[in-house]
Amino acid sequence: EIVMTQSPATLSVSPGERATLSCRASQSVNSNLAWYQQKPGQAPRLFIYGASTRVTGVPARFSGSGSGTEFTLTISSLQSEDFAFYYCQQYNNWLATFGQGTKVEIK
Amino acid sequence: QITLKESGPTLVKPTQTLTLTCTFSGFSLSTSGVGVGWIRQPPEKALEWLALIYWDDDKLYSPSLKSRLTITKDTSKNQVVLTMANMDPVDTATYYCAHRPNFWSGYYSYWGQGTLVTVSS
Repeated sequence: EIVMTQSPATLSVSPGERATLSCRASQSVNSNLAWYQQKPGQAPRLFIYGASTRVTGVPARFSGSGSGTEFTLTISSLQSEDFAFYYCQQYNNWLATFGQGTKVEIK
Repeated sequence: QITLKESGPTLVKPTQTLTLTCTFSGFSLSTSGVGVGWIRQPPEKALEWLALIYWDDDKLYSPSLKSRLTITKDTSKNQVVLTMANMDPVDTATYYCAHRPNFWSGYYSYWGQGTLVTVSS
């Protein structure tokens, strides 16, 4: 099983600031990585796949990067609607695994 | 427009078998490459992948839960059913079904709203 480790667990950011979320895989997943946003009481929503491809409708302030074992989700200028949990998921292996999540909260 | 919706009991007793149904629209599970998966999330915890069924009836299960899980599909009804045997309080979670767009893309592009299942006597 590929273990996905996200950091930090909680990120406190002021609106308008930049947020950088990290996701590390225990072995290479190439670019087979997705990011999801989840708000309280809601289902996860796919934001990025292929490590860097934004889903249609996701604002351009969200960007994904990385390959292999190290990945980053960057939110260039946080808006109020961006405060949420973010999960990474690898799908390089048939056994999909998720990270523990990063909570982005208002500072 | 792709939608999915989970249905089933909200409360089950320990040792009972849970049966959840995912009813979907906007795609066909007979289309080559398409899959429907189940993912759960205990309260205040992370997501855990459970099972996946493909258009060709191929099935995959989480190794840690494989002995307890069964996934089936009814293409004519646009439904996928997940059963989990021998339920325990640690299985209390929100259970989601989700659409996997193709064989080579293992992410989940659309999710149901989820259904909270509580295991308690």
